[in-house]
Amino acid sequence: DAGITQSPRHKVTETGTPVTLRCHQTENHRYMYWYRQDPGHGLRLIHYSYGVKDTDKGEVSDGYSVSRSKTEDFLLTLESATSSQTSVYFCAIRPGVGTEAFFGQGTRLTVV
Amino acid sequence: QQPVQSPQAVILREGEDAVINCSSSKALYSVHWYRQKHGEAPVFLMILLKGGEQKGHEKISASFNEKKQQSSLYLTASQLSYSGTYFCGTELFRNNDMRFGAGTRLTVKP
Repeated sequence: DAGITQSPRHKVTETGTPVTLRCHQTENHRYMYWYRQDPGHGLRLIHYSYGVKDTDKGEVSDGYSVSRSKTEDFLLTLESATSSQTSVYFCAIRPGVGTEAFFGQGTRLTVV
Repeated sequence: QQPVQSPQAVILREGEDAVINCSSSKALYSVHWYRQKHGEAPVFLMILLKGGEQKGHEKISASFNEKKQQSSLYLTASQLSYSGTYFCGTELFRNNDMRFGAGTRLTVKP
């Protein structure tokens, strides 16, 4: 199995608080992605990274920021959590374009 | 830019066949297919990089029509283990991201 770990696996937080989710990989893959999964919407891309300090927005990036200061870590921050950000968040990694993606086990985030 | 999948859901009996479709309005560099079991992470099935290419994985195969920007996933003689949600993922030329469709929920019954 690809070495990819998400933390925490579950989190409950209050509206208005900042939250940071971590994705850690041991594969030295160049690309890292954050998706959110909601019923009826599939996997929607939030942000992605194509190298250290190289990031770009996906289709649902409002309210989220990311950072990648090391190859192995990709952090997703909800600057001020809202109930609409209650979701399951998946991190994915892959070595390059045209290659398969490996997914982490997901983080279930509940904003109350 | 999110690809469009159809159907949204399909129910089969063991041994029956199914086809899941994925289409894009933009020129595609590649199409990926993944399967997700309930409560688990998506798992890679296959990737198609060339127009008209068809790949197989046991009784699961896929095709990619580059001219139409469409891909189809074929599941033949379905087994109970095929149940899950299938996602297509697409990459555009000269783009680093990967977008997924809304998924197709496949249920195989005995």
